[in-house]
Amino acid sequence: KAGVTQTPRYLIKTRGQQVTLSCSPISGHRSVSWYQQTPGQGLQFLFEYFSETQRNKGNFPGRFSGRQFSNSRSEMNVSTLELGDSALYLCASSRGLAFFSGANVLTFGAGSRLTVL
Amino acid sequence: QQQVKQSPQSLIVQKGGISIINCAYENTAFDYFPWYQQFPGKGPALLIAIRPDVSEKKEGRFTISFNKSAKQFSLHIMDSQPGDSATYFCAPLTGAGSYQLTFGKGTKLSVIP
Repeated sequence: KAGVTQTPRYLIKTRGQQVTLSCSPISGHRSVSWYQQTPGQGLQFLFEYFSETQRNKGNFPGRFSGRQFSNSRSEMNVSTLELGDSALYLCASSRGLAFFSGANVLTFGAGSRLTVL
Repeated sequence: QQQVKQSPQSLIVQKGGISIINCAYENTAFDYFPWYQQFPGKGPALLIAIRPDVSEKKEGRFTISFNKSAKQFSLHIMDSQPGDSATYFCAPLTGAGSYQLTFGKGTKLSVIP
């Protein structure tokens, strides 16, 4: 069973540029969440999509956006990059059911490491 | 508001020893309490989780203890092994349909031979 695939794994951008990161969830998973991981702030929730609709959004500026396609694949975009956007961006997928189902697990990809110069 | 406080930040344990990591939370709406394990270069992976209607859950060498009144839960790793060396995160969340995990800052565990 294939896991969560994130592309690209590594990328370097300069301030002011924009970046698009891609996430392919596990087959059958309809929920995709995005997290930012930095040494200082740790893991912070960006947003979550389910069936092409954003269900939850974290406390990030509007420069951070995302979308989900009908095949559940998701992209996130960061515009006007700042040095502080350097981070590991993690995507996680799940079936989207209530956690109490017991069969629902949040599975993370290996992340996309973004460096902003 | 720091909703989740995890301690210690780092932990060094001898092989065969017990590793204990604690997590205190403020949001009483949290109702699912997982621990994640992250190795370098990898994303976090669910290790073990507990619901608030039980006080303890054991899976192999890993045990979660949950104290609802104190709003704390902890991860115990028995017979710690060098392969357990990783960063551990508590990440409680609220109810049905919510996938917004609130991660603790993480505990870097090093198990030395």
